[in-house]
Amino acid sequence: DAGVIQSPRHEVTEMGQEVTLRCKPISGHNSLFWYRQTMMRGLELLIYFNNNVPIDDSGMPEDRFSAKMPNASFSTLKIQPSEPRDSAVYFCASSLTTISYNEQFFGPGTRLTVL
Amino acid sequence: AQSVTQLGSHVSVSEGALVLLRCNYSSSVPPYLFWYVQYPNQGLQLLLKYTSAATLVKGINGFEAEFKKSETSFHLTKPSAHMSDAAEYFCAVSEGSNDYKLSFGAGTTVTVRA
Repeated sequence: DAGVIQSPRHEVTEMGQEVTLRCKPISGHNSLFWYRQTMMRGLELLIYFNNNVPIDDSGMPEDRFSAKMPNASFSTLKIQPSEPRDSAVYFCASSLTTISYNEQFFGPGTRLTVL
Repeated sequence: AQSVTQLGSHVSVSEGALVLLRCNYSSSVPPYLFWYVQYPNQGLQLLLKYTSAATLVKGINGFEAEFKKSETSFHLTKPSAHMSDAAEYFCAVSEGSNDYKLSFGAGTTVTVRA
């Protein structure tokens, strides 16, 4: 049973370039989350989708960040233009949200370095 | 709004010794509480969860945690540390079953001495 799949695992880019991170949630899950992890700020929720619809994007830091979920099995997080302060590990997580409980399953993360 | 405080950013224990990681939370409603573990260069993995059932929760790899409402705590323990327990541990809280947001603590890094 495949878990949450993220690609690429590592990305090195130059300031000003566009970066696209990809996520495939666990099949059957109806919720998807994008997190950012840095030493300074810890784990931060960027955006939450439920049934492919963005429900809460209050954590998206700036207009340079955008996220889409065109179908239940795929989501992207795009940064355009990228800046050095965007360097972090970006995690995607998915869950099956029910009335009783939801447990988030995390992908392995994408380590982004912006030079 | 809920929040989590993990006391101690780094804990060092000897192999075979007790592991104790402290977590205190604040929540305006009965919380759901979680402990996640992150091994180097990996994503977070759920260790255990409290969802208003038994206050003593057993998880994977021999870990357990006790929910104490009076102390607003959810400390994680393991009686005997193993080298493979070296990792970073995160406590998280959500405000009940309908709250999708997990608020994470800052994390505690555990090192195990041979």
